[in-house]
Amino acid sequence: TQLLEQSPQFLSIQEGENLTVYCNSSSVFSSLQWYRQEPGEGPVLLVTVVTGGEVKKLKRLTFQFGDARKDSSLHITAAQPGDTGLYLCAGANQAGTALIFGKGTTLSVSS
Amino acid sequence: ETGVTQTPRHLVMGMTNKKSLKCEQHLGHNAMYWYKQSAKKPLELMFVYSLEERVENNSVPSRFSPECPNSSHLFLHLHTLQPEDSALYLCASSQDRLRGYTFGSGTRLTVV
Repeated sequence: TQLLEQSPQFLSIQEGENLTVYCNSSSVFSSLQWYRQEPGEGPVLLVTVVTGGEVKKLKRLTFQFGDARKDSSLHITAAQPGDTGLYLCAGANQAGTALIFGKGTTLSVSS
Repeated sequence: ETGVTQTPRHLVMGMTNKKSLKCEQHLGHNAMYWYKQSAKKPLELMFVYSLEERVENNSVPSRFSPECPNSSHLFLHLHTLQPEDSALYLCASSQDRLRGYTFGSGTRLTVV
């Protein structure tokens, strides 16, 4: 069974701080995605990475896919209260029919 | 507007009731999914439909019954549920799962 482990599980920081969350697996994925979910809503896709070593930037968010395509990280620079939410990583492989999700990192940014 | 609409947003039902959850997408996607989201657990895949055919049934109890009448609509029929079935039920669609899903806002189900 493929698993995605996310860390930390919870993170509470002040506005303006930087942070990194991680998504790790012992399995190789064809692609990996990051989603953000706010309370009472469904997850919203932030980014998809498909190439080992790939780095993508979305404003203050930087996403990296590991060289071996087994892990990924999300770095947020100068966090803002609007970044608060549950961050989920999800992996896809060629054999499966659906994405595999991690448990998520709950981020709270206070002003 | 996310492109995937789920109704109802909230549902409270007794263990002997029968109800249905509805999901609708107008994104032209060819695959639709039901996921269950419970506290402290990863999203659990329940059913996958590709081109209106069920391609995966992830060991889900028979009290959950999916239906996909066309590529835009997906239902989840519920009957004789248990309190542990209380959760957020999420519908998603995709054109290419390697590129990601579009999720609905979910149905918050409470079984009493």
